[in-house]
Amino acid sequence: GAVVSQHPSWVICKSGTSVKIECRSLDFQATTMFWYRQFPKQSLMLMATSNEGSKATYEQGVEKDKFLINHASLTLSTLTVTSAHPEDSSFYICSARDPWTSGDGNEQFFGPGTRLTVL
Amino acid sequence: KQEVTQIPAALSVPEGENLVLNCSFTDSAIYNLQWFRQDPGKGLTSLLLIQSSQREQTSGRLNASLDKSSGRSTLYIAASQPGDSATYLCAENTGNQFYFGTGTSLTVIP
Repeated sequence: GAVVSQHPSWVICKSGTSVKIECRSLDFQATTMFWYRQFPKQSLMLMATSNEGSKATYEQGVEKDKFLINHASLTLSTLTVTSAHPEDSSFYICSARDPWTSGDGNEQFFGPGTRLTVL
Repeated sequence: KQEVTQIPAALSVPEGENLVLNCSFTDSAIYNLQWFRQDPGKGLTSLLLIQSSQREQTSGRLNASLDKSSGRSTLYIAASQPGDSATYLCAENTGNQFYFGTGTSLTVIP
């Protein structure tokens, strides 16, 4: 099956610093990637949708200047949390859509997640 | 705004018992519905995906059903095992994005 990786799996940083999280589709080309955030004991909330080569579409309430998303290639999307603060501490999960291997092209494959802790 | 609700929020059963997890969604224009498993501190593992044109999907001890008219899906787990202990999430796919439920935390007691 389609595999999505994330790096790093966990990161601890000081308040005010920026952190970059990578999401890669390992064995398929992903024209669309999604970024989710999950706070403790809550479900996943979609942050933004990124299409290769174009600007990301952010969900309401998500600051695009704070959460920079780049989807420069068909296998890599990055999420940069700029000037991170403790309230940004969360579990960030990406997913990728493979229009060719799934029956309807809309199945998403999820990465293992990145645990961000901002001190 | 789409809402996905999962009941119960938590469930504890003895090993060997059959169980049903429930998922309700508000958007009848569903594209497909997917069930996931999430272990503590881990990512998502896809269990079953049901297309809007399908009524159910089966994989091993798992069976998922979909009723678009009532906005409900169920995940049936047969002969539960301690290794099934995890949080189970359902997600409604509207074609453009997923809406996740809040999950059911399952504990199977040996």
